[in-house]
Amino acid sequence: EAGVAQSPRYKIIEKRQSVAFWCNPISGHATLYWYQQILGQGPKLLIQFQNNGVVDDSQLPKDRFSAERLKGVDSTLKIQPAKLEDSAVYLCASSSGQGARETQYFGPGTRLLVL
Amino acid sequence: GDSVTQMEGPVTLSEEAFLTINCTYTATGYPSLFWYVQYPGEGLQLLLKATKADDKGSNKGFEATYRKETTSFHLEKGSVQVSDSAVYFCALSGSSNTGKLIFGQGTTLQVKP
Repeated sequence: EAGVAQSPRYKIIEKRQSVAFWCNPISGHATLYWYQQILGQGPKLLIQFQNNGVVDDSQLPKDRFSAERLKGVDSTLKIQPAKLEDSAVYLCASSSGQGARETQYFGPGTRLLVL
Repeated sequence: GDSVTQMEGPVTLSEEAFLTINCTYTATGYPSLFWYVQYPGEGLQLLLKATKADDKGSNKGFEATYRKETTSFHLEKGSVQVSDSAVYFCALSGSSNTGKLIFGQGTTLQVKP
């Protein structure tokens, strides 16, 4: 079974530029998560989708970050314009269902450096 | 709000030593508890989990017991190997019941031969 796929793996941009990350979850997984992991910290949830609907985006900086999951499968996370403090690893995860007991499966992440 | 606190690292051990990484949590209700591991250059992988009080999760020689009375979920292994060198994250999924994970800050383990 293929795991969670993410691209690109690495991205370097200058501040005020825009960037987009792509995630393809495990086949059949209805729930998709985007986490931000700043160096030396644990991942923090940015947004959670159930199929193509948003469950939780309370921690998403909506003035610059956006995300979509149009057909309930793959997802795109965008930052526009980027700031220096957005330098982090962006992790995508998926699970078959939603709830406290579900196991989330993580992709390899996209490492973003903003100069 | 919900939170997780892990012991600070790095933790440096010799091969075959006993490992404990402490994890305590704050949450309302009855969260599920997880340990994830991140090997160098790889993504997060689930190591073990426990979904109710007194449950013991185990995998690859690692164990952790869900202690509600002490709000803890300490990770243990009786004999570590060099290949166990990684960053270990304790996490909970709790009161919102959406599956959202709250992570600790991670503990780096380095095992020397």
